[in-house]
Amino acid sequence: QLQLQESGPGLVKPSETLSLTCTVSGGSISSSSYYWGWIRQPPGKGLEWIGSIYYSGNTYYNPSLKSRVTISVDTSKNQFSLKLSSVTAADTAVYYCGRHLGTVTTCFEYWGQGTLVTVSS
Amino acid sequence: QSVLTQPPSASGTPGQRVTISCSGSSSNIGSNYLYWYQQLPGTAPKLLIYRNNQRPSGVPDRFSGSKSGTSASLAISGLRSEDEADYYCAAWDDSLSGWVFGGGTKLTVL
Repeated sequence: QLQLQESGPGLVKPSETLSLTCTVSGGSISSSSYYWGWIRQPPGKGLEWIGSIYYSGNTYYNPSLKSRVTISVDTSKNQFSLKLSSVTAADTAVYYCGRHLGTVTTCFEYWGQGTLVTVSS
Repeated sequence: QSVLTQPPSASGTPGQRVTISCSGSSSNIGSNYLYWYQQLPGTAPKLLIYRNNQRPSGVPDRFSGSKSGTSASLAISGLRSEDEADYYCAAWDDSLSGWVFGGGTKLTVL
């Protein structure tokens, strides 16, 4: 059974860079045809797609976040990562990593449990 | 403001049938599959309906999805207390080249 686990600091200071890693188990991140990605959910609010990546490194980003986001993949560690720069309080959210059903235009089928990141000084 | 529009709340009594709507545009629902997620309190969203009307294994057939034009709906029949959750619709948007979500509908079982 595929499992995803987010990890990283739970507290980030304003203007700094948020860094999270998603570790995949029960399957290979290098499997063909699957995209992997990040979604966030501010407390009490809805879901927002951040971006997605293929094992080859091909990426898609939310246009509203694109200037601040970098998603990368490390196939040797079966992990992919998220960096969000110049964070503000508005970036406080539960961050989920997930695997698409197939290509990037298919939905997130598998989700991690999520990790709360708070932006505060 | 979410790109996809859902009612913020819905309710029903046990055994009833409830529907949740989701409206969008030609660049998302009108030209791509629509998906539904169920999010129980404190948990990650769970895929409920994929490709407009398909249920993943393990999802009861009480849940059904439909799509017409730029709108879609999720129907839950035989409502149960454990269906109380937030429900989100989602679709790929060709204009944005990205995923868009509805704002979520909080379903209360009275």
